[in-house]
Amino acid sequence: GENVEQHPSTLSVQEGDSAVIKCTYSDSASNYFPWYKQELGKRPQLIIDIRSNVGEKKDQRIAVTLNKTAKHFSLHITETQPEDSAVYFCAAPSAGTGRRALTFGSGTRLQVQP
Amino acid sequence: DGGITQSPKYLFRKEGQNVTLSCEQNLNHDAMYWYRQDPGQGLRLIYYSQIVNDFQKGDIAEGYSVSREKKESFPLTVTSAQKNPTAFYLCASSFGREETEAFFGQGTRLTVV
Repeated sequence: GENVEQHPSTLSVQEGDSAVIKCTYSDSASNYFPWYKQELGKRPQLIIDIRSNVGEKKDQRIAVTLNKTAKHFSLHITETQPEDSAVYFCAAPSAGTGRRALTFGSGTRLQVQP
Repeated sequence: DGGITQSPKYLFRKEGQNVTLSCEQNLNHDAMYWYRQDPGQGLRLIYYSQIVNDFQKGDIAEGYSVSREKKESFPLTVTSAQKNPTAFYLCASSFGREETEAFFGQGTRLTVV
C-alpha cells in the first residue's frame, strides 16, 4: 500500500514569514495529493489539492508543488497569520483500497507566533 | 452544520464493554470511511465501504466492526477485543471514485475508563 512520510512534525514561524511542509510517497501510480488543515478539536478540512498533470497550484497564500519523478510534494504558506496555526496533513491515495481511501502523513503542527 | 454527522462527540467506556459510534451523511456519497487519530500518528484507516452492504478492512481493523445497511449510515463498533481503544475517531465520506476528496465528520473522542 501507499506510504506517506511528512516533515517536519512541528514548525514554528513568526507572523508574516513563510512555512513549508514536505511529504514523500511510495506509490508511483498515485495521481492525487490533497492537503488537510485540522484546527484543535475540529475535523480535518481540505485546503488545497494537486493532480499529477500539473507541477504547481496556488490559492491565495497557499500553494502546493509536486515532483512526480522524486515522489514528493510540498505545501507552501506565505505571509503566515496566527489563524494559520493548526495541524496540517498531506495524503495520497491508498493502492490497497483501489485508490479510493487516503493514506495520511503523520501531520505537522504549525505555530505562527504573533 | 450538515454534511457528515458523528455522535456522540465524547464517549466514555468501561473496559470490557463494546461501544458503537454513529456516522450519518447527507451528501449522497457512495463511499464511507473510518479513521483513527492518535497524537503524532496521523490518521489510520480502520474500515471503508464503497457501497451498501459491502465493506473492507483497512490497516488497523482488529478489534473493530462495521455495518453498511443504508447509504447514509456507517456505524463503527469498538469491541472489547480492541486493546487500546482510547483515541479520536473520524468518519469520512466521498463520491467513491478513485482519487477524490474525503469529507470528514467532527469526530468522536472515545475514552476508556
